[in-house]
Parts: sequence; structure tokens; C-alpha cells
Amino acid sequence: DAGVTQSPTHLIKTRGQQVTLRCSPKSGHDTVSWYQQALGQGPQFIFQYYEEEERQRGNFPDRFSGHQFPNYSSELNVNALLLGDSALYLCASSLGHNPGNTMYFGEGSWLTVV
Amino acid sequence: SQQGEEDPQALSIQEGENATMNCSYKTSINNLQWYRQNSGRGLVHLILIRSNEREKHSGRLRVTLDTSKKSSSLLITASRAADTASYFCASLWGRRALTFGSGTRLQVQP
Repeated sequence: DAGVTQSPTHLIKTRGQQVTLRCSPKSGHDTVSWYQQALGQGPQFIFQYYEEEERQRGNFPDRFSGHQFPNYSSELNVNALLLGDSALYLCASSLGHNPGNTMYFGEGSWLTVV
Repeated sequence: SQQGEEDPQALSIQEGENATMNCSYKTSINNLQWYRQNSGRGLVHLILIRSNEREKHSGRLRVTLDTSKKSSSLLITASRAADTASYFCASLWGRRALTFGSGTRLQVQP
């Protein structure tokens, strides 16, 4: 049973460019959340998708956008990259959007903006 | 902003000793969760304690919750070198988001 998978694992982008990160949830899960984790900090919530709609959003600018597909996989897009966007981007999946459901995290995508 | 804050920020102990990490949070919670993260990797869910529970055990882990003080603690007994990792507490923000503290970095010396 595959867990949460993310791609790519590492990437380097130039300031001003755009990036797309991908996430496949754990088998049977229908809810995907995205988090940004800067070095030495805890993860910060970006947004959550359920039934292909954004259900809750954290304090991130509109440069951060996402999408969920009918197979429950998800993409995170970041436009006009800034140096401060350099971070580990984590995807988490869960079954349903019940607040008590356990979230399973992927290994993350390391983004470096130069 | 992050609701939970862990204390201490870093902890170094010898193998076999117990490790205690504390977490404080700001608003009312339905439950509080603890996660572990090996360096640069994804987070692994360790344990969830509900607001009506005061203590919970899972293997070598013991979690306590004091809602009157808005605090929780994670105790790892008989620590092993493999326990070396960062530990985060997390609580719900809104209905769906987890909000994390900045973590405790635990180093267990063999």
C-alpha cells in the first residue's frame, strides 16, 4: 500500500519563475493538504483540497494556488518565485475532512529559489 | 502564525534516558497531536490526545494534556539513538488545518 508520494524530491528555480509540485495521496484518501516548512521551523498550512475544491486556506498570497484532480491527486503551483519561497513543501492526505482524522505526510519536495 | 510552541528548542540526552518535551498552545482545542520528523524528511504521526483525555500511552510514548494550562507534554522513555529527530505538537486551526510549533530537536547520544 503506497503512502503519500510527492514529486519532484528536489528542484532549483530562479527568482520570478513558476513551479508545480505534485502529490499522490495514500490509497483510499480523498483529502489533500499542503504545508510549507522553512529551515528550522514547523510546517505552515497553505491550503486543503477536498472534492476538488479548496476548503481552507492559510495565510499565503495568491501566488500560491492548487488543484485537486478526480483521482484525488493534487498540484501546488507557485508563481513569481521569491527567494523566501525556498522551503520543504509537504503534502498530507487523510480520509474525509473530519478534523480528528490522522494526516499522513509525504517526504516532501525541497525547493530552492536562487 | 503558529499556535503551538515547544520547549525546549533542543534537547541532548544519553541512550536509555527519558526525554520530555513540552508544548503550549493559545486557543481551545478538540485534540492535540504529536509528530516526529527525521532530518529533512516527512512527518510521522505519533499520537493524538483528545481534549477530554488527560493522559495517553503508546509504546514508549506518554502524552499528557492540561487544558486549563493549555499545555501538553511528550515523554519518550528509555530513549534510543533512533529516536533522534524533531518533534512537533500540532492542533487544529479552523476545521481542517494543523498548526505546528517550531519543534524540539532531540539528539540521543549512543
